[in-house]
Amino acid sequence: GQQVMQIPQYQHVQEGEDFTTYCNSSTTLSNIQWYKQRPGGHPVFLIQLVKSGEVKKQKRLTFQFGEAKKNSSLHITATQTTDVGTYFCAGDNSGGSNYKLTFGKGTLLTVNP
Amino acid sequence: DTEVTQTPKHLVMGMTNKKSLKCEQHMGHRAMYWYKQKAKKPPELMFVYSYEKLSINESVPSRFSPECPNSSLLNLHLHALQPEDSALYLCASSKIGGTSNEQYFGPGTRLTVT
Repeated sequence: GQQVMQIPQYQHVQEGEDFTTYCNSSTTLSNIQWYKQRPGGHPVFLIQLVKSGEVKKQKRLTFQFGEAKKNSSLHITATQTTDVGTYFCAGDNSGGSNYKLTFGKGTLLTVNP
Repeated sequence: DTEVTQTPKHLVMGMTNKKSLKCEQHMGHRAMYWYKQKAKKPPELMFVYSYEKLSINESVPSRFSPECPNSSLLNLHLHALQPEDSALYLCASSKIGGTSNEQYFGPGTRLTVT
């Protein structure tokens, strides 16, 4: 079955440092989604990438989808304490037809103020 | 309204109890999901309903029984659970069709089985 690998598992940074998490799928994806889960919270949708080579920005967050639509990354510039949480990528290889997302294991980001 | 609500927030039940988890959304989404999440793990898909019909069952034990009474409501009936079923149970919903199928998650029910 489809697998989505995500690294690193943990990342601890000083406030102001940059952070990147990477996802790699064993199969070509229709789209990839990113979610953030704060400690004690629930996953919250951040963004969806659909096109090959797509790059999207949300303030300090930059999301990329690889040319082959099998890998993706999330980069945070100048982290803040509010960025703390677990970031999950979730791949959809169904063409959007069966609603099944395969989640990566997540990257837990902690930020030292 | 982009909110998915879940009740109860917390639930403690014995292995012989019967209880139900409830989920509600008013975004007009016609796909609804149940996930199970253990600590420090990603959400694990259990069931998917599309247009109020069960479309995916990820080989979940029969002690978990989902129900979708209408397009806004999703229930998960629990019976004879095991301690290893203790987890955060998340409900989610999404549109069907189009290019945007992001999922909106509820706050979850934290279940403890004693």
